[in-house]
Amino acid sequence: GENVGLHLPTLSVQEGDNSIINCAYSNSASDYFIWYKQESGKGPQFIIDIRSNMDKRQGQRVTVLLNKTVKHLSLQIAATQPGDSAVYFCAESGNYGGSQGNLIFGKGTKLSVKP
Amino acid sequence: DTGVSQDPRHKITKRGQNVTFRCDPISEHNRLYWYRQTLGQGPEFLTYFQNEAQLEKSRLLSDRFSAERPKGSFSTLEIQRTEQGDSAMYLCASSRAANTEAFFGQGTRLTVV
Repeated sequence: GENVGLHLPTLSVQEGDNSIINCAYSNSASDYFIWYKQESGKGPQFIIDIRSNMDKRQGQRVTVLLNKTVKHLSLQIAATQPGDSAVYFCAESGNYGGSQGNLIFGKGTKLSVKP
Repeated sequence: DTGVSQDPRHKITKRGQNVTFRCDPISEHNRLYWYRQTLGQGPEFLTYFQNEAQLEKSRLLSDRFSAERPKGSFSTLEIQRTEQGDSAMYLCASSRAANTEAFFGQGTRLTVV
């Protein structure tokens, strides 16, 4: 079946640099996307979401970009801090087939921030 | 704390025993989801409720698994005759509606020995 995946399993950045985490999705019917941050032993923490009628959305230090043409999603973190070290997941959902807004997750990208 | 609450946080059980987990969603959230997560993997969908109605179940949800949300508020997930392969983090999430922000609890880590 179609699912969400990630280009890079690990990402190491220097503190203060910008981070870009990528995600590819294959279901063109997906119309809602969320980025989550998960620290070890904790549940996923909501970061930012975006709907398919948008191509960019900004939050505090984070920006999500959506390219529906190539089915690509990215999360940009500005001025990455040690506290940003975690695993990041993208998730997609939509109303298609038997799924009515169910979130489907990819495997995650581990972000490591070097001081 | 008005976030999603899960209980217990950790559970160790012997193979063959039954276990039950509880999830209290954010107040007034109509949707409640259960996910399972193993080490190094993303959360895998198990089932979800719209109010008290269980609308979708994953193929991962074998006959040994059952979930309820009797009054449309809290939910329970029961696993009967646990197996070692059931060892995982069980996550609950809630949202106001479909395709809106979904917030997760801290999860229940199940270890079957």
